Amino acid sequence: RKEVEQDPGPFNVPEGATVAFNCTYSNSASQSFFWYRQDCRKEPKLLMSVYSSGNEDGRFTAQLNRASQYISLLIRDSKLSDSATYLCVVNEENTGFQKLVFGTGTRLLVSP
Amino acid sequence: GAVVSQHPSRVICKSGTSVKIECRSLDFQATTMFWYRQFPKQSLMLMATSNEGSKATYEQGVEKDKFLINHASLTLSTLTVTSAHPEDSSFYICSASYKQGTSPLHFGNGTRLTVT
Repeated sequence: RKEVEQDPGPFNVPEGATVAFNCTYSNSASQSFFWYRQDCRKEPKLLMSVYSSGNEDGRFTAQLNRASQYISLLIRDSKLSDSATYLCVVNEENTGFQKLVFGTGTRLLVSP
Repeated sequence: GAVVSQHPSRVICKSGTSVKIECRSLDFQATTMFWYRQFPKQSLMLMATSNEGSKATYEQGVEKDKFLINHASLTLSTLTVTSAHPEDSSFYICSASYKQGTSPLHFGNGTRLTVT
């Protein structure tokens, strides 16, 4: 079983749609969680951290369910520029240095 | 915000040669930097953790004699791919955090290595 699992997609949605991505992780001791966005042939860029209480940043909402070891990302009012691969990232260490484990990513294609 | 710079962004080399990739933290001191590798349509895989002033910690399956890491200062880590082979062709990305613990990482712009 992969440490961090995501549906690879692609998710094809029209502009303005709401789309949700899910991610599950296997290590129950994981400490922190992030969503990164990666454009084709580019480096990942932090989209948002995921907090236990859930958090929102504009059109993006992230949620964490520690009991189910599940993370989600909701994108409202999709824009063409949202087309990218969204990486679920889990930090498994809390000793001062990070051990990040990346999911393979979920690809989103937003069409006009 | 924090910025990590990586150079070169693209390199093509012949089989058997060595390639050095630099990773710099531009406006913060990074005691720890990380080197990842990403093959097409695959996730980022951690290769090694680079610690300033000490030896790097390599992940299982990564040859430390092939992928030489030097972290001589708080703002610079280098990865040298020695005796490169076509199977080493990949996207290499470094990252750094300006704070220990749970703060997110910032990534360099990556280096696309092609070995012919």
